[in-house]
Amino acid sequence: DVVMTQSPLSLPVTLGQPASISCRSSQSLAYKDGNTYLSWFQQRPGQSPRRLIYEVSKRDSGVPDRFSGSGSGTDFTLKISRVEAEDVGIYYCMQGTHCPPWTFGQGTRVEFK
Amino acid sequence: QVQLIDSGGGVVQPGKSLRLSCAASGFAFSSYSMHWVRQAPGKGLEWVAVISYDGGNRYYADSVKGRFTISRDNSKNTLYLQMNSLRADDTAVYYCAKDHSSSPEKWGRGTLVIVSS
Repeated sequence: DVVMTQSPLSLPVTLGQPASISCRSSQSLAYKDGNTYLSWFQQRPGQSPRRLIYEVSKRDSGVPDRFSGSGSGTDFTLKISRVEAEDVGIYYCMQGTHCPPWTFGQGTRVEFK
Repeated sequence: QVQLIDSGGGVVQPGKSLRLSCAASGFAFSSYSMHWVRQAPGKGLEWVAVISYDGGNRYYADSVKGRFTISRDNSKNTLYLQMNSLRADDTAVYYCAKDHSSSPEKWGRGTLVIVSS
């Protein structure tokens, strides 16, 4: 199974400042069809997860453009250009290339300093 | 808009069974694969099972293989998860989710399953 490793696991942030989360996979997530099936999810306190990004860098409908995804192969990053109050929560990466099983990272808790 | 209503959770004794349901609306249910994903209290997300759009392909996490069965009724726009031989470590919130690009795109609100004597 592909292991997804996120860092940091806890990220203190400052309102209006940028933030970045790293996600590494134990093998390349590039698929033979040319796509890379790496997604990012946000889970606000007490809520269901919400997908933010799919295929590394494609934003889901309604996701603010301050969220961006990048990377390739085994190294991926989720960036928030300017953190807002509503961004507090836990962020997960997930791979859908070498499945089953689909596998998630451990999660990164984003909270204000 | 896409709506997924998970239901069927509750408190059940170890070794017993439970069936979860997920009522879907707002999209062409019969055209999409569907997932179940769970989250134990205070823990991260764990993928549980997936079923193809027509029910022809089903895959499971090793942790539930042989005990859980995913199914769907496209005439009722409903997804199911039959859970047998439940164990304490199956205690979690269970979410159904619509697949898009090999990823759970839209999620239900979740239904809580507690396995306890």
